[in-house]
Amino acid sequence: QITLQESGPTLVKPTETLTLTCTFSGFSLNTGGVAVAWFRQPPGRALEWIGLIYWGDDRRLRPSLRSSLAMTSDTSKNQVVLTISNVDHMDTATYYCTHMSSTMTTGFFDYWGQGIVVTVSS
Amino acid sequence: DIVMTQSPGSLHVTPGEAVSISCWSSESVQSPDGHIYLDWYLKKPGQAPQLLIYLASRRASGVPDRFSGSGSGTDFTLTISRVEAEDVGIYYCIQVRQTPFTLGPGTRVDIK
Repeated sequence: QITLQESGPTLVKPTETLTLTCTFSGFSLNTGGVAVAWFRQPPGRALEWIGLIYWGDDRRLRPSLRSSLAMTSDTSKNQVVLTISNVDHMDTATYYCTHMSSTMTTGFFDYWGQGIVVTVSS
Repeated sequence: DIVMTQSPGSLHVTPGEAVSISCWSSESVQSPDGHIYLDWYLKKPGQAPQLLIYLASRRASGVPDRFSGSGSGTDFTLTISRVEAEDVGIYYCIQVRQTPFTLGPGTRVDIK
């Protein structure tokens, strides 16, 4: 059974660094065809894709966030860590991590964490 | 980046009614060998998004057969044959043809 759980601070001050951890079970990032992705949904706005890590540590990040975004994995702990530096109010959102099944012929996000609400405020 | 557009922005429907949501991509999300990298998700209030349709027309495991997807190239449609009260939420299409993956703005479905 695949599960994912986001953890981290729910309140961050502007200019600080936000670090969120996705802890997962039921799959391994050492397995081909697997990725862990992050999405977020700001209040009252649409869902948006932030980035992902494929098996083999190949990372793809949203270009508009690339300068402030980092994503790392620890396969021994089954964790993916998302870091956003120099946050501002635009980073206030519910953040979701998700398992992606990714092959040459398809890609979809079939298991999701429950989400973590992060507020950027002084 | 591939820009995704959806229409309509919102729907207010009666249970049992048929619903169609359109999604367009600014460039084709279909590979030369015919695979279509277009998914549909439903975001219910207070819940994480859930996968409904992948490869434009394949229903995900556990998704009721009243949901169906169609389309190719740049034009796609999600159809709910008979809307039920539990179908309320925001529907998103997303292209996974190339990164950055991009989503449509969403279509909100409410029940009368």
